[in-house]
Amino acid sequence: EPEVTQTPSHQVTQMGQEVILRCVPISNHLYFYWYRQILGQKVEFLVSFYNNEISEKSEIFDDQFSVERPDGSNFTLKIRSTKLEDSAMYFCASVFSGELRQETQYFGPGTRLLVL
Amino acid sequence: RKEVEQDPGPFNVPEGATVAFNCTYSNSASQSFFWYRQDCRKEPKLLMSVYSSGNEDGRFTAQLNRASQYISLLIRDSKLSDSATYLCVVNMGNTDKLIFGTGTRLQVFP
Repeated sequence: EPEVTQTPSHQVTQMGQEVILRCVPISNHLYFYWYRQILGQKVEFLVSFYNNEISEKSEIFDDQFSVERPDGSNFTLKIRSTKLEDSAMYFCASVFSGELRQETQYFGPGTRLLVL
Repeated sequence: RKEVEQDPGPFNVPEGATVAFNCTYSNSASQSFFWYRQDCRKEPKLLMSVYSSGNEDGRFTAQLNRASQYISLLIRDSKLSDSATYLCVVNMGNTDKLIFGTGTRLQVFP
């Protein structure tokens, strides 16, 4: 069964450093998402991406965050200057298209980011 | 009021028990409803979509009450492997973002 993959599985960084989290969505999917989950809290939407542009973003997704699809397979989330409160599990998700609101979003295994 | 509200639990039940989880959502414009399962430190995985007519998948039954803005999940004949956090998830319909509840933790014991 096709799956979303994410790298790295864990990342430790110093406050103020830039990090790039990588995702490879399912190959024929067209809509891509980033969510995050702070330890012990709920999963929160960050951003959705379609046709090489952001289609929606949450209040969390401020100027420190950016997303990119640099080639036909990777989908990246960059945090320019990490803060302690960015420590969380970051999940990438993708969906094919069509009846979008009804379709299942498939989640990757996540990247656990720890900012020291 | 929280967008999606769930009892955090934990629900501790013996194998073979029937357990029910409830969820309420605040926005009456919500269009799509799901139950996801999340194991500790893992990604959410779709358990089932929830339809107005109610739907069943093996030991799992989901119900939606739009008038009360209420979703339920019933698990029959609980297995040890059902131990996980069950996430109630809603989509508004005018957007493709998913809105998650905090989850209800289930622990099935032998």
